[in-house]
Amino acid sequence: AQKVTQAQTEISVVEKEDVTLDCVYETRDTTYYLFWYKQPPSGELVFLIRRNSFDEQNEISGRYSWNFQKSTSSFNFTITASQVVDSAVYFCALSEAFGQAGTALIFGKGTTLSVSS
Amino acid sequence: KAGVTQTPRYLIKTRGQQVTLSCSPISGHRSVSWYQQTPGQGLQFLFEYFSETQRNKGNFPGRFSGRQFSNSRSEMNVSTLELGDSALYLCASSPPGQGAFAGELFFGEGSRLTVL
Repeated sequence: AQKVTQAQTEISVVEKEDVTLDCVYETRDTTYYLFWYKQPPSGELVFLIRRNSFDEQNEISGRYSWNFQKSTSSFNFTITASQVVDSAVYFCALSEAFGQAGTALIFGKGTTLSVSS
Repeated sequence: KAGVTQTPRYLIKTRGQQVTLSCSPISGHRSVSWYQQTPGQGLQFLFEYFSETQRNKGNFPGRFSGRQFSNSRSEMNVSTLELGDSALYLCASSPPGQGAFAGELFFGEGSRLTVL
């Protein structure tokens, strides 16, 4: 069965600290996508990044970086020099193949990040 | 460019009633998905529509249904409401040409349903 686990329920940091959000996934598919979404208090989920199972190149985008390791089925997300505006719930997700087409995401339970000034 | 719009934003119903939620996707997006978010179960996929056809369906009872119109707007309906249906219902649209399970979804702010 496909599953996404975010072991960290809540993380609290002080501004400018670096923080890493962990994500471990399970899938039998050889082709799949992994995602990170952010949910601010307003409610809408905001897409951050997508990685396919054949692309293990890690990426840095501004203060965000992602570490994808198939050997350990992990897709971790790091925020460097955190800011108060980074406070939100962060979700890791895995795409579920539905045969021909379409997208359904399996989400982890989310990690609530609180950044204080 | 307008985002995904969901109405109503908040609503309160009683057990046994039914409810209809509406979603207007981003212009040009033909795929619309619905997710239920609860504190206990988290985010769960309900169904996805593309060109007025239900393309995928999650593991929810038949009380949950949806449809999509020719202008890509979508509605979901929950009949015979139960207390456990209290949740944030999120609608998402995706741009054309992404291919299967590409997953860059654009979400609305959701409709928060409370069942008393």
